[in-house]
Amino acid sequence: QVQLRESGPGLVKSSETLSLTCTVSGGSVTRGSYYWSWIRQPPGKGLEWIGYVYNSGSTKYNPSLKSRVTISIDTSRNQFSLKLNSVTAADTALYYCARDFRGGDSGSYLDYWGQGTLVTVAS
Amino acid sequence: EIVLTQSPATLSLSPGERATLSCRASQSVRNYLAWYQQKPGQAPRLLIYDASNRATGIPARFSGSGSGTDFTLTISSLEAEDFAIYYCQERNTFGPGTKVDF
Repeated sequence: QVQLRESGPGLVKSSETLSLTCTVSGGSVTRGSYYWSWIRQPPGKGLEWIGYVYNSGSTKYNPSLKSRVTISIDTSRNQFSLKLNSVTAADTALYYCARDFRGGDSGSYLDYWGQGTLVTVAS
Repeated sequence: EIVLTQSPATLSLSPGERATLSCRASQSVRNYLAWYQQKPGQAPRLLIYDASNRATGIPARFSGSGSGTDFTLTISSLEAEDFAIYYCQERNTFGPGTKVDF
C-alpha cells in the first residue's frame, strides 16, 4: 500500500519561501508512468493543482504559480519537494502531495494522497 | 487552458435517493476525466478515472459516464457516508465541486 506524508513548517512569514517535503513509502518514486504532484486547498475552497515532477526530474507547473514554484525529486530518499517563494496570505492553504498516473492512452488521476498539511502565511 | 464547470453547486438529497452530478469541459477532453470524493478533514479520494472506470475498492453504486465535454457521476442509492463534496479533474484542472448534503 502506497503512503505519502507531507512534512514542513506550518507557519511561514509573508515574502519568504514555503518548503514542504513528501515522503513516499510502500512504492518507489521511480516507477514508470507515475508522476508526483502537489495540490493545495485554501480553507473552505476547492482544489488547485500546483505542479508535478517525474522521476527524471522533469516538471510541469500551474501557469498561475510557475514564476514562484520549484518541485524537485530525490529518488535516493524516495521523496519529492515543493518550494514556493515570495508567499502572501493568499498562499495559506492545506497542501497535499499525491501520486499522479499519466499513462500513454489514459488521462491523469491521483490515486494516492497524503493527509495534507496546513501552511499559514503570517504577515 | 481547459475549464471545468460542475453543476449543481449543491445537491440536497436523502439517503436512498439517486444523485446525478454533472461536469462540463470547455473543450473536448476525450474520456480523460476523473472524479474524487472529499469529506471534511480528509484528503480527496479517487472514485472514477478515465470517465467510467471505478477505482480500487469503490462501491458499485458509484458510476461515471460521458466523453468529450459532458460527464456524469451517478450515485445510484445514497448512503449516509456519501454526503460529501465531489470534484471532477482533467489533468491539471479541477472543477469547483458539487456538495451533496441532506
